[in-house]
This record gives sequence, C-alpha cells and structure tokens, in this order.
Amino acid sequence: GENVEQHPSTLSVQEGDSAVIKCTYSDSASNYFPWYKQELGKGPQLIIDIRSNVGEKKDQRIAVTLNKTAKHFSLHITETQPEDSAVYFCAALYQKVTFGTGTKLQVIP
Amino acid sequence: EAQVTQNPRYLITVTGKKLTVTCSQNMNHEYMSWYRQDPGLGLRQIYYSMNVEVTDKGDVPEGYKVSRKEKRNFPLILESPSPNQTSLYFCASSLSPGFPLHFGNGTRLTVT
Repeated sequence: GENVEQHPSTLSVQEGDSAVIKCTYSDSASNYFPWYKQELGKGPQLIIDIRSNVGEKKDQRIAVTLNKTAKHFSLHITETQPEDSAVYFCAALYQKVTFGTGTKLQVIP
Repeated sequence: EAQVTQNPRYLITVTGKKLTVTCSQNMNHEYMSWYRQDPGLGLRQIYYSMNVEVTDKGDVPEGYKVSRKEKRNFPLILESPSPNQTSLYFCASSLSPGFPLHFGNGTRLTVT
C-alpha cells in the first residue's frame, strides 16, 4: 500500500519567515495530494490540495509543489504569522487517502 | 452550516464495556471514514464507507465495527474496548475519496 513520509516532525520559525514541510510518497499511481491544518482541539481542515496533472498551486501565502518523478510534494508558507502555528498533515490518494505523520509548526512572534 | 458532528467529545470507560461513537454529516456526502490519531503516527484509517451499501476495512480495523444504515450517519462501535484503543478519533466525510475530507472535532477516548 501507499506510504507517506513527512518531515520535519517539528518546525519553529520567526514570524515573517517562510516555512517548508516536505512529504514523499511511495505509489506512483497516487493522483491527489491534500494538505490539512489541525488547530488545538479541532479536527484537520483542508488548506490546499494539488492533483497529479499540476506542478504547483498557490493560494495567497500558501503554495504546494509536486514533483511526480521524485515522488515528493511540499507545502510552502510565506510571511508566517502566529495563527499559522498548528499541526500540518500531508496526504496522498491512490484508491484511499494515506496521511503523513504530521509537522508541528510553531511561529515565534 | 456544513459540518460533521461527532459525539461524545470525551469518553472515559473501562476495559470490555461496549461503546459507540456517533458521527453525522449534513453535506449529503457519499464517502465517510474513521481515523485514529496517535502521537508520532499521524492519522490512521480504521474503516471507510464508499456509500450506504459499501463499507470496508482501513489500515487498523482490529477491535472496531462500523455500520452505514443511512447516508448521513456512520457510527464507530467498540464491542470490547481495550487500553490500546485509548486514542483521539476523527470521523470524516467527502463527496468521494478524491475530494477534500471534512472532519469532525474529534472524540478523545480513554480506556482504563
């Protein structure tokens, strides 16, 4: 089955700096790659997603890039703010969704 | 408001006492699934349901049951809970697996 690895497990950045979270997947047939943000005491919420026919997607301060050849995809957050502090999960879909193990992002004011 | 509702939010029980965690969605989604979240392990799928007629095991189904008698509800049943089922549980729904999942706010279960 699909295996998704996510790094780093924790990330601390100064407010205003950029944050990058990286994921790799094992099944080349995976075709949908969502990213979820989980705030304390809440369920994960989709922040951005990308399909396999697209290499990059942006939504304001958030962007995702996909390299199908290398089987990895990354989340980029620019101009980080304290409210970006949360746990972020990547995921890959082939028949079913498989999640990474999560990255706890701390933005230091 | 579109949402997935789980109940209860917190549950403390003893080994062997049957329990049910309810999940309901109001978005007319076909696909529903249950996950457990454990430190360092991320979100692991327990069971999923493609539609009212189809349910199947996920990655960690042992010790759990589900039912999908109607589209909006997908309860998770622990017939004989054990301490290793202490975890944070999430129900989620979507139009289909290839669409964004909408998660409930979680149920924190402690089995002593």
